[in-house]
Formats: sequence, C-alpha cells, structure tokens
Amino acid sequence: EIVMTQSPATLSVSPGERATLSCRASQSFSSTLAWYQQKPGQAPRLLIYGASTRATGIPARFSGSGSGTEFTLTISSLQSEDFAVYYCQHYNHWPYTFGQGTKLEVK
Amino acid sequence: EVQLVESGGGLVNPGGSLRLSCAASGLTFSNAWMSWVRQAPGKGLEWVGRIKSKADGGTADYAAPVKGRFTISRDDSKNTLYLQMNSLRTEDTAVYYCTTFAPGYGWFWGQGTLVTVSS
Repeated sequence: EIVMTQSPATLSVSPGERATLSCRASQSFSSTLAWYQQKPGQAPRLLIYGASTRATGIPARFSGSGSGTEFTLTISSLQSEDFAVYYCQHYNHWPYTFGQGTKLEVK
Repeated sequence: EVQLVESGGGLVNPGGSLRLSCAASGLTFSNAWMSWVRQAPGKGLEWVGRIKSKADGGTADYAAPVKGRFTISRDDSKNTLYLQMNSLRTEDTAVYYCTTFAPGYGWFWGQGTLVTVSS
C-alpha cells in the first residue's frame, strides 16, 4: 500500500499570499495523483488530477506539479474562499489512498 | 454532466446491516469503475472499496477494515451502485460517498450519505 504523507498539517497564510502544500508518496508513481479541497459539511471538491491538470471550473491560481514521490499543490494568491482542508490522493493501483490532509488557515 | 446521488444512510445498531445506493447519470455507467469512500466525523477520507466494470471483470476490491463485512455490487440496468454493510461497528460511523473517475474529466463525487452506528 502506498502511504501518502502531507505536510505541513496546518499552514497559516495571509490572503493574497502564495501557499505551497506538499504530498509525499512512499512509493514512486508517475501522474496518478489528485488534489481536493474540502470545506465543513461539504463533499470533497476535485481541484487537480493527473498531478497537474486542473479540473473543470477550477481557477488558474491553483496548480499542481510533481512526479515520482514528491507532489505539490500551489495556490498563487489566496482568496478568502480558499481557506479549507486539502487532501492528496493516489490512484495508481489498488488500494488507492489519501493523505491525512493539510488545513489552510488565515494568518 | 455526471451526477452521483447516494441514499440509504441512517441510524443502525452495532452488529446490524444497511444497504447504500448510488444512482448515477450523465455517464456510460456500465463502462465505469465505481468506488465508495467514507469520512468519519472530524477525520480524513478513507477508501472503502471499488468495483470494476463487467467488461473488465466486474470484481470488487476492499480496504482491510471492511473486508469480509462489506460487499460492493452494481446494477448496470439501473445505473446504480450498491454498498451492502453487515456486522456494522461504531467505527463505521461516517459519511459515505460514491465516486468515479472519468478520463479527461477526473474524479466525480456524490454529496454523501451519513451512516451512524450506535445503540
């Protein structure tokens, strides 16, 4: 099973600044990685799939990168609606697994 | 547009059973590999299991915590995915989501249905 480790657990950033979230895999794979945003009481919202492809309707300030064991989600200029919990997920082979989440909070 | 709508959640006693459904539209359901994911209150996301399309064998895979207790099935004539949950434990309390991957679009999720296991 691939273990996905996200860092940091909590990230405090001011609106307008850049946020960089990391996701490390215990085994290498190419691009079968997704990023989600989740707000309280809501289902996860897909942001990125294929490691770097933005999902439909996702603003350009969200970008994904990486391959192998290191992946990154970057939010270029934080808006108020971006403060939430973010999860990475691999879907390279079963069992698929999620990271434990990074909470992005207002500094 | 792909839509996934879960139903069937509710309150059940420990040791009891419950069957969840996920009605799908906007996709060729018979070709889709479908999955269940759950989220316990205040916790992260956890895969429950997945089922392949019949063309790809129709078999299901399960996460270790539910193997032997949960069964995933599908009715392609009704565009519906099922999760039969037996021998429920308090730790199975969670919101259960169905989800599927569509090439070129990514992962689609339903809004979830809450299962509470409590006496």
